[in-house]
Amino acid sequence: DTEVTQTPKHLVMGMTNKKSLKCEQHMGHRAMYWYKQKAKKPPELMFVYSYEKLSINESVPSRFSPECPNSSLLNLHLHALQPEDSALYLCASSQPTDSVAKNIQYFGAGTRLSVL
Amino acid sequence: AQSVSQHNHHVILSEAASLELGCNYSYGGTVNLFWYVQYPGQHLQLLLKYFSGDPLVKGIKGFEAEFIKSKFSFNLRKPSVQWSDTAEYFCAVNAYTGGFKTIFGAGTRLFVKA
Repeated sequence: DTEVTQTPKHLVMGMTNKKSLKCEQHMGHRAMYWYKQKAKKPPELMFVYSYEKLSINESVPSRFSPECPNSSLLNLHLHALQPEDSALYLCASSQPTDSVAKNIQYFGAGTRLSVL
Repeated sequence: AQSVSQHNHHVILSEAASLELGCNYSYGGTVNLFWYVQYPGQHLQLLLKYFSGDPLVKGIKGFEAEFIKSKFSFNLRKPSVQWSDTAEYFCAVNAYTGGFKTIFGAGTRLFVKA
C-alpha cells in the first residue's frame, strides 16, 4: 500500500469558518508534509513533521495550524482564511532518515480548497 | 538558497516525436533528484529518481533522465512520446537542511498532439 489519503477532496469555506484538512498513510512513514499548490504553479512546502514533531515551518501564516496526532495522521487546521489561500493542498509522507537516498515522498491527491 | 529551474514552461509535440525537458538546480550538498508527473486532474506521481550511481536513470513509461553533476542538470528524455504523455512535469530537488526539504521547479506543461 503506497497510498496517502486526503479528505475532503473539495472544500468551500467562508473567511470566518474553521475547518480541517486530514491526511492519512499506513506505510509506516514517520515524516509527513503539507504543500500548497496554486493553479499552474509548482507545489510549495508549508510544513514538515518528523516523528510527530514539527521540524520545518516555511513561515506559513498562523491561520494555518498543522497537527500530527499520531504517526499515521496529519491535520491542517484552517481559521480566518483569505480568498488568496484558495489552492490545492497536498499531503506527502516518507521515511525519515539521515540518508538522503531514502527520502522518497509519496503524495496524496490533494484537497481543493476554495475560500469565499 | 536551493532553487530548481525548468527551461520550458510549455511544450507541444506530435506523437512519436522525441522529448527532452531541461532541469537545473542549485545546491552544493548531497541531493536527491526527481521528476514527477501530474496528469490532468490527478495527483503527483513519481516518474523517476536519482540518488547515486549510474547517472542515467530509467523510470516508468519509457522515460529516462541523465544527471550531469558538473552542469547541475537532470534532464528528462523520452525517445517517442504518446498522446497519453500529455501532463505537467515537475523537476524536484530534495536535500537535507535540518529536515528534508523538497523544492519543485515551476513545471513544464507538455501537450502531445495525436
